[in-house]
Amino acid sequence: DTEVTQTPKHLVMGMTNKKSLKCEQHMGHRAMYWYKQKAKKPPELMFVYSYEKLSINESVPSRFSPECPNSSLLNLHLHALQPEDSALYLCASSQGEVYEQYFGPGTRLTVT
Amino acid sequence: QQPVQSPQAVILREGEDAVINCSSSKALYSVHWYRQKHGEAPVFLMILLKGGEQKGHEKISASFNEKKQQSSLYLTASQLSYSGTYFCGTERGGSGGSNYKLTFGKGTLLTVNP
Repeated sequence: DTEVTQTPKHLVMGMTNKKSLKCEQHMGHRAMYWYKQKAKKPPELMFVYSYEKLSINESVPSRFSPECPNSSLLNLHLHALQPEDSALYLCASSQGEVYEQYFGPGTRLTVT
Repeated sequence: QQPVQSPQAVILREGEDAVINCSSSKALYSVHWYRQKHGEAPVFLMILLKGGEQKGHEKISASFNEKKQQSSLYLTASQLSYSGTYFCGTERGGSGGSNYKLTFGKGTLLTVNP
């Protein structure tokens, strides 16, 4: 099973709302990632968790808060977002460093 | 630092070949190639590592010139299913950065027509 699942598929939220994105993998991968992708642009790395610890934060605004409750789950908590945060949020996982990354289908986020 | 991909777009007829290039001004540890179809997630194609090791699909070939910090993806006898945006992702590793950190190029839009 090489599947990464993400929920919800679509999310519309106001600038004062609090919501969470969820990601799950059952491949035994030890690294998990959050990417942000705008239309017709490449994915941009936001966060990396390695062995359930945050190893990379690409200077992401604090209104995005990642969490890795266990080795299979990754959450992204959203609060007080701006309209420019509207994008496709992709989760990925890999066995470790320098391994292929498996991407989930993404959550299409719209901030109104 | 974002790698540079070329061409930005290419249109082929089924059965034709294409080459997509990816270059970096910094020393690289590895180059990854992904394909993303419209509305879908990126799908892994190939990893090329410093030192010559490759991991990927049998029908996809690629090269990595470590001296020039360039990689090329070769698509032969193209099929309609090859259509999509191809991204290279580079890892600098070592003192240049983490091997977890993939920086993607802007992408190459490949369209294969019947």
